[in-house]
Amino acid sequence: AVQLVESGGGLVQPKESLKISCAASGFTFSNAAMYWVRQAPGKGLEWVARIRTKPNNYATYYADSVKGRFTISRDDSKSMVYLQMDNLKTEDTAMYYCTAGGFGGWGQGVMVTVSS
Amino acid sequence: DVVMTQTPPSLSVAIGQSVSISCKSSQSLVYSDGKTYLHWLLQSSGRSPKRLIYQVSNLDSGVPDRFSGTGSQKDFTLKISRVEAKDLGVYYCAQTTHFPWTFGGGTKLELK
Repeated sequence: AVQLVESGGGLVQPKESLKISCAASGFTFSNAAMYWVRQAPGKGLEWVARIRTKPNNYATYYADSVKGRFTISRDDSKSMVYLQMDNLKTEDTAMYYCTAGGFGGWGQGVMVTVSS
Repeated sequence: DVVMTQTPPSLSVAIGQSVSISCKSSQSLVYSDGKTYLHWLLQSSGRSPKRLIYQVSNLDSGVPDRFSGTGSQKDFTLKISRVEAKDLGVYYCAQTTHFPWTFGGGTKLELK
């Protein structure tokens, strides 16, 4: 079964950086596009970033709200996907979920809180 | 961006009843390959979302056939027959046809 486990969340101040990670197992990771989706407290779901596979040149895509500040990357040798978040804003406070397979698999989420 | 409008925002239901949730998109969700990438997710309280239905009407593994999805182009419906307590939570529709991918605002299914 698809298993996704996020880590690395925490409390940071505005303008600081944080990198969260997602460990994948149970499927052929190198063949799968990977995504990050976030959910602000009490709010709905927002797609954040996508990274495609090696045959697709690891192409990346971002929501306008994070473009230029967030960077998604992957390490196929470790079955890991990452989200580097720079210049964080209070509005980035959310639960961040790693997901794959057109939202077919989800991690448990990791909380990122941006507050002074 | 494609706007996904879900109605109603909340539903009160008795166990054993049937309910329907509507999801309308601001653009057709038919992709260039002819497929429609409209999905339904359930987020139970305090849990991660879980996909129930993909591409309009295909049930994910383990999802009971009390759930069904219909629709085309811009108009979609999720129907739950004989609601059980484990069905409670927030339902989201989501589209992965057009970037950026977008979600509906959610429909909270509660016990009456």
